[in-house]
Amino acid sequence: AQSVTQPDIHITVSEGASLELRCNYSYGATPYLFWYVQSPGQGLQLLLKYFSGDTLVQGIKGFEAEFKRSQSSFNLRKPSVHWSDAAEYFCAVGAWAAGNKLTFGGGTRVLVKP
Amino acid sequence: DGGITQSPKYLFRKEGQNVTLSCEQNLNHDAMYWYRQDPGQGLRLIYYSQIVNDFQKGDIAEGYSVSREKKESFPLTVTSAQKNPTAFYLCASSKGGIGTEAFFGQGTRLTVV
Repeated sequence: AQSVTQPDIHITVSEGASLELRCNYSYGATPYLFWYVQSPGQGLQLLLKYFSGDTLVQGIKGFEAEFKRSQSSFNLRKPSVHWSDAAEYFCAVGAWAAGNKLTFGGGTRVLVKP
Repeated sequence: DGGITQSPKYLFRKEGQNVTLSCEQNLNHDAMYWYRQDPGQGLRLIYYSQIVNDFQKGDIAEGYSVSREKKESFPLTVTSAQKNPTAFYLCASSKGGIGTEAFFGQGTRLTVV
């Protein structure tokens, strides 16, 4: 069965500083990977996804993520954080062979200091 | 605009009562999903459906039931057998093809008192 680990529960970053959120996955086949963002009390919005091809993926809101198969990682980055980036971020792995369902990590809450 | 509509946004029920959460999508997606979200635990899959009149249990199906009579609709019933029903519930849909992402509704917060 697939699994996702997000080691950091909370991260605090200053506005304008860079941000990196870690994600490690476990899946027996070629994974497809996602990052979603959630504002309080809201649904999830897709930031970016990786299925194949270039291992550096660009997403919305200035985010990017890099797939590293050797490390089973899919870390999310943003060069300069804005106050509006304060939210919870979820990494997910998709299992095509299991009904195309997504398995999510526990999430990382990002706080942005002025 | 196409999207996923969950209703109501907030729901209160007394312990021991069944309650049904609504999820409707107009994206023409084949697959639909129900997730439960608790603080610090991410999202856990309750049930999913890849096609009309078919659905499968997810990781935490006990105490829940679903139906998929129409492509657009995937209601979730939280039964009295669910021991800890208070949570935030999210419905999602996807085209169902390999590599396709899920689109989420705005969620329903259920509080059982």
